[in-house]
Amino acid sequence: DAGVTQSPTHLIKTRGQQVTLRCSPKSGHDTVSWYQQALGQGPQFIFQYYEEEERQRGNFPDRFSGHQFPNYSSELNVNALLLGDSALYLCASRADRRETQYFGPGTRLLVL
Amino acid sequence: DQQVKQNSPSLSVQEGRISILNCDYTNSMFDYFLWYKKYPAEGPTFLISISSIKDKNEDGRFTVFLNKSAKHLSLHIVPSQPGDSAVYFCAASDLSENTDKLIFGTGTRLQVFP
Repeated sequence: DAGVTQSPTHLIKTRGQQVTLRCSPKSGHDTVSWYQQALGQGPQFIFQYYEEEERQRGNFPDRFSGHQFPNYSSELNVNALLLGDSALYLCASRADRRETQYFGPGTRLLVL
Repeated sequence: DQQVKQNSPSLSVQEGRISILNCDYTNSMFDYFLWYKKYPAEGPTFLISISSIKDKNEDGRFTVFLNKSAKHLSLHIVPSQPGDSAVYFCAASDLSENTDKLIFGTGTRLQVFP
């Protein structure tokens, strides 16, 4: 049983570009959350998707958007990239509100 | 405003001894706390959690203690093993918000040496 998978593993972009990161949740999980982990920091909550809708959002600008597909997979889109967007982007999924979230390995984004 | 703080960026412990990792929080609405372990190039892995109605939870070598009055929790690893070397994150949530949002600390890098 595959856990949470994310693609790509690494990505290099330049300022002003747009990027799309992808996440496939663990089998049987229907809720996906995205986190940003900057160097030397803990993960910060970006938003959560359930039933193809954004359910809650952290303190991130509108340049960060997402989508959830009928198969529960999810995308994170970041527009007009800034140098400060360089970070590890983590996806987490769960099946039930009482269950622990499982994290994927992350996508490391470098903005030059 | 850092609501969850891990004031020790690193900790070095000899194999077989106890490792104690500390975490402080400021938001009194937090009622569920978790510890995650993270190896390089991997995502955080859940270790152990505790609800605010308890003051201790134990799972094998791992025990989490919660002191609500001090807004402090700690993770004890006994005995420590070299494979425990990783970055440990403390996280908190407010279950009444009905959200998966976790607030993480900045992590403590644990090194267990032979």
